[in-house]
Amino acid sequence: KQEVTQIPAALSVPEGENLVLNCSFTDSAIYNLQWFRQDPGKGLTSLLLIQSSQREQTSGRLNASLDKSSGRSTLYIAASQPGDSATYLCAVRQTDRMDSNYQLIWGAGTKLIIKP
Amino acid sequence: DGGITQSPKYLFRKEGQNVTLSCEQNLNHDAMYWYRQDPGQGLRLIYYSQIVNDFQKGDIAEGYSVSREKKESFPLTVTSAQKNPTAFYLCASRSDSREGPQHFGDGTRLSIL
Repeated sequence: KQEVTQIPAALSVPEGENLVLNCSFTDSAIYNLQWFRQDPGKGLTSLLLIQSSQREQTSGRLNASLDKSSGRSTLYIAASQPGDSATYLCAVRQTDRMDSNYQLIWGAGTKLIIKP
Repeated sequence: DGGITQSPKYLFRKEGQNVTLSCEQNLNHDAMYWYRQDPGQGLRLIYYSQIVNDFQKGDIAEGYSVSREKKESFPLTVTSAQKNPTAFYLCASRSDSREGPQHFGDGTRLSIL
């Protein structure tokens, strides 16, 4: 059974620092991996989606990498800003289930606080 | 603007009461989902629907029910059989493209009176 883990559960860094959030998964048979942002009391916003055949995706100050063989993905945030404070979640879509087209397996998230 | 609307934002349930959470989308998406989010845990899938008049149980469907009579609507009923309903409930939708991400509503927070 696929398990997705995000460590640490919380992270606090000063403004301006570059930082890395981690996501690990136990089954490498994934179709894609997504990173989401969640603000307090709100829904989720998709940040980056990496297909299993890709190594990384970039959007502005965000860069997500994927290493299927080691079961790891990282989300790199450059020049962090207070507005980046949120919870970041990763989710994987499996390839080994008939209904894998419609289900995601979620990590518990990393709560990020950027101090001004 | 296209998006997903969940209502109400906050909901309180009395003992033995059924309550219904609304989810409406105008994105013309085929697939819709209901998730439950508890503190310190990942999202857990309650029900999902790939097409009108069809829905499937997720990992924690017990105590919940859904319907999909219209493409744009996917209401979730939390029944009295769900003994621990206090949580944040998120509705999502996705187009039938396998590459597309899920789009989320702003959630409903359900509490017990």
